[in-house]
Amino acid sequence: GAGVSQSPSNKVTEKGKDVELRCDPISGHTALYWYRQSLGQGLEFLIYFQGNSAPDKSGLPSDRFSAERTGGSVSTLTIQRTQQEDSAVYLCASSPRQKAGHSYNEQFFGPGTRLTVL
Amino acid sequence: DAKTTQPPSMDCAEGRAANLPCNHSTISGNEYVYWYRQIHSQGPQYIIHGLKNNETNEMASLIITEDRKSSTLILPHATLRDTAVYYCIGPSAGNMLTFGGGTRLMVKP
Repeated sequence: GAGVSQSPSNKVTEKGKDVELRCDPISGHTALYWYRQSLGQGLEFLIYFQGNSAPDKSGLPSDRFSAERTGGSVSTLTIQRTQQEDSAVYLCASSPRQKAGHSYNEQFFGPGTRLTVL
Repeated sequence: DAKTTQPPSMDCAEGRAANLPCNHSTISGNEYVYWYRQIHSQGPQYIIHGLKNNETNEMASLIITEDRKSSTLILPHATLRDTAVYYCIGPSAGNMLTFGGGTRLMVKP
């Protein structure tokens, strides 16, 4: 079946511009996560959506970053007034309803959006 | 959060077993250990997870020590396509994944 998809695959923008990154999770998955990965680094958690609950925004690095998830499916990550340090690969993941007895579920990752801020 | 420690890099000959160690001395008794890998320019891919018992699936085997302070991921017959960064992950508060530096496995012909 279809996996997690993200668009665009690459985005080049100028410093100060706003960008929107899109994630289409696997159908039926209740949880959706955004991470970013700078060159040669591990993943940095940004935000987590679970069903209709309020999102966990604890990883967002500044108020220039925001995300929404409409209808419990598609999510958009918005970065306002982009800075050069925002350049990274932005990864989205989704997971199904949490299994009983597990601390969390397997997460299925999309291919990422490579953002370059000039 | 359970902290994990892995060697930064390892080499393995094609066709041989790759044994990737991970220390997770702070993990508590009911916390799972998960392994993911990330092939260049792709998103991370789930491999396997375990709690106490050794686990095996079509991709790998996971050996967990009795005291649960360390584990080893085994790729029984490594191929060139297994070249990737392998992440051993303990649970974090909430449901996000906390990736450390991982082990960069290079499978050589």
